[in-house]
Amino acid sequence: AQTVTQSQPEMSVQEAETVTLSCTYDTSESDYYLFWYKQPPSRQMILVIRQEAYKQQNATENRFSVNFQKAAKSFSLKISDSQLGDAAMYFCAYRSVSPSNDYKLSFGAGTTVTVRA
Amino acid sequence: KAGVTQTPRYLIKTRGQQVTLSCSPISGHRSVSWYQQTPGQGLQFLFEYFSETQRNKGNFPGRFSGRQFSNSRSEMNVSTLELGDSALYLCASSLWGNEAFFGQGTRLTVV
Repeated sequence: AQTVTQSQPEMSVQEAETVTLSCTYDTSESDYYLFWYKQPPSRQMILVIRQEAYKQQNATENRFSVNFQKAAKSFSLKISDSQLGDAAMYFCAYRSVSPSNDYKLSFGAGTTVTVRA
Repeated sequence: KAGVTQTPRYLIKTRGQQVTLSCSPISGHRSVSWYQQTPGQGLQFLFEYFSETQRNKGNFPGRFSGRQFSNSRSEMNVSTLELGDSALYLCASSLWGNEAFFGQGTRLTVV
C-alpha cells in the first residue's frame, strides 16, 4: 500500500508571499500520478495540480507549481503570490496507474494553510 | 459541464438505522469512488466502481456497501449505523480512474 506523508499540519503565509507545502510518499511503482487537492471551508475537494511520474518537467498551474523529485519521492507544492482565497486545507494524493493495483487515491493527512491579510 | 452531484448534502440519522447516499458523476465519467473523511482518520477510501462493477474496496466493514447503475450514478449504503459512522462522505468521478473530481460531500451525523 502506498503511504503519503504531509509533515506540516499548519502553515501560515502573508498575503502576496510564497508558501511551500511538503509531501513525501512511499511506493515501489515506477509510474503513478500525484495530485494536490484543496479543501476550503465549503468542504469540496478541488483539484489544484497533477503530476505524472514519467514526466520530468514540474507541473505548473498559474500561481501553483510543484517540485517533483522522483528519486527522493518528494512532491512539494508552491503557492506564489498568496491570496486570501487560498486559505484551505491542502491534501497531497497518490494514485497508481497499474490495472493490477488499486486505483484508489491515497491521501496525506493534510496541511491547513492560513493567509494573513 | 455539470460537476459531481451528491445528495443529500446533510443527513441526521439514529443509531441502528440505515442510510443511502447518492452520487451523480460528471457526464461521460465511468469511474465513481467513495471516501470517508473524519477528523481522526482523515480521508479513507471506501470503494470504487467502474462500469457497474466494484473494482476496489477499502478496509471497511460489510455494513458499508455500494452499487453503480448503468448511467454511472452510484449509491452508497450504510446499514446498522454507529456513532462512529458520522463523517463527511465524498464521492469522486473520473473518466478512466486517473484524475478524480469530487462532489461537495454528504455530511452524515449519527445520533
